[in-house]
Amino acid sequence: GAVVSQHPSRVICKSGTSVKIECRSLDFQATTMFWYRQFPKQSLMLMATSNEGSKATYEQGVEKDKFLINHASLTLSTLTVTSAHPEDSSFYICSARGRELYGYTFGSGTRLTVV
Amino acid sequence: DAKTTQPPSMDCAEGRAANLPCNHSTISGNEYVYWYRQIHSQGPQYIIHGLKNNETNEMASLIITEDRKSSTLILPHATLRDTAVYYCIAPKAAGNKLTFGGGTRVLVKP
Repeated sequence: GAVVSQHPSRVICKSGTSVKIECRSLDFQATTMFWYRQFPKQSLMLMATSNEGSKATYEQGVEKDKFLINHASLTLSTLTVTSAHPEDSSFYICSARGRELYGYTFGSGTRLTVV
Repeated sequence: DAKTTQPPSMDCAEGRAANLPCNHSTISGNEYVYWYRQIHSQGPQYIIHGLKNNETNEMASLIITEDRKSSTLILPHATLRDTAVYYCIAPKAAGNKLTFGGGTRVLVKP
C-alpha cells in the first residue's frame, strides 16, 4: 500500500515552454502533497506544500508564479514549470501523506532537462 | 524540524552490519525520527521511524538513545543494493513537512 506514481519520469523541453508533472496517490487519499527539487550531488530541497482544495504554501525563494501547483483532488497534484529555462533543469520529486498515514511516500521523480 | 547531524559518508563491507548514526540533540518530546534512503536517481524510500522505543522491521532496526538526542539505523546484513544516501529527519510534528539534510552516503563494498 501507499504508492505514489509520478509522471513523466523524464522530460526534455525547449526554453520558454511549460512542463507539467503529475503526482498521483494510487491507493490512498493524499490530503497533503509536497514538491521537492534536487540538483546533482545535492540534497532534496522542499519547494512547496499543497493541501487538497487550497493554495500551495511555497518555501522562501521559490517563485509561485513560475512553479504552479494544483492539488485539485485527493489523489492528484500537479507541478507546472512555466517558461522553463536551462537553470530549471533538475530532478523533481513529489511526496504524499494521507489522513490515515503516518509516514510520507515519495514518487520516483521526474528528470527535467531544458534545452 | 529538529536539526539532525549525520556523517557525510561511510563504507561498509557486504554482509556485515552497517550502523548509521544520527544526532538530533534539539529534538522535542513529540518529534519522531524518520529514516529514508535514496538510491541514485530515484525517489526517497521509507525505511523506519520511531519516537522513543527501539523499532525493527524487515529492512532495518532503529535504536534511539534514552535521552532521544541520537539514534542509530542498523542494516543487519548490508548488500550491494543498500548503497544509497541515508537521511535521518525529525519533522516538527507528525505529518509536517520533511526537510532533508545532507544525509550519509553509504557505499557497500564487496
